Amino acid sequence: DGGITQSPKYLFRKEGQNVTLSCEQNLNHDAMYWYRQDPGQGLRLIYYSQIVNDFQKGDIAEGYSVSREKKESFPLTVTSAQKNPTAFYLCASSPAGGNYGYTFGSGTRLTVV
Amino acid sequence: DAKTTQPPSMDCAEGRAANLPCNHSTISGNEYVYWYRQIHSQGPQYIIHGLKNNETNEMASLIITEDRKSSTLILPHATLRDTAVYYCIVRAPYNQGGKLIFGQGTELSVKP
Repeated sequence: DGGITQSPKYLFRKEGQNVTLSCEQNLNHDAMYWYRQDPGQGLRLIYYSQIVNDFQKGDIAEGYSVSREKKESFPLTVTSAQKNPTAFYLCASSPAGGNYGYTFGSGTRLTVV
Repeated sequence: DAKTTQPPSMDCAEGRAANLPCNHSTISGNEYVYWYRQIHSQGPQYIIHGLKNNETNEMASLIITEDRKSSTLILPHATLRDTAVYYCIVRAPYNQGGKLIFGQGTELSVKP
């Protein structure tokens, strides 16, 4: 079945370490997105990419980096510059053009200690 | 910033219709209204979207006012499994970024 996979589901890291969250989709979607969600809050857009080798900053890009070397993959790196990295991270994808809904992954819960 | 306003919480009796309102008074002519829901600690699930006509699918109905400044999501026969946070989102066209900007949503509690 086609879908979007985020791994791992839970991730623990020490403060000051960079960490990379994986997002892979086999839906042949052109666009991919990364969101952050804090407890009791809505989702906030970190980065998005509509085409391979190109990506754009969202509302809260500081302290994060991404790459889009393959259509299927859009990894997110949480750097040591991110002051409050503990959060729930969600990846999504959508087809290009038109007005299609996003497909979301099941998320990665990152805890920095 | 989110372009929508929703009540923070609502209750609904099981088996009754749940009507979730949303205000989007600054919506532009080419922006769509999307509805998603999120059950705790899961990824959001797409429900329905529309531009100006009312829409219906197997999950819900979407009623958009003629001036497009507000809309209502209707779950016709709510069940306990419909308990979730419901997000109303205005989405720009894909060639303008196509981003979904989430607000705080409405926490719907369906009670027996």
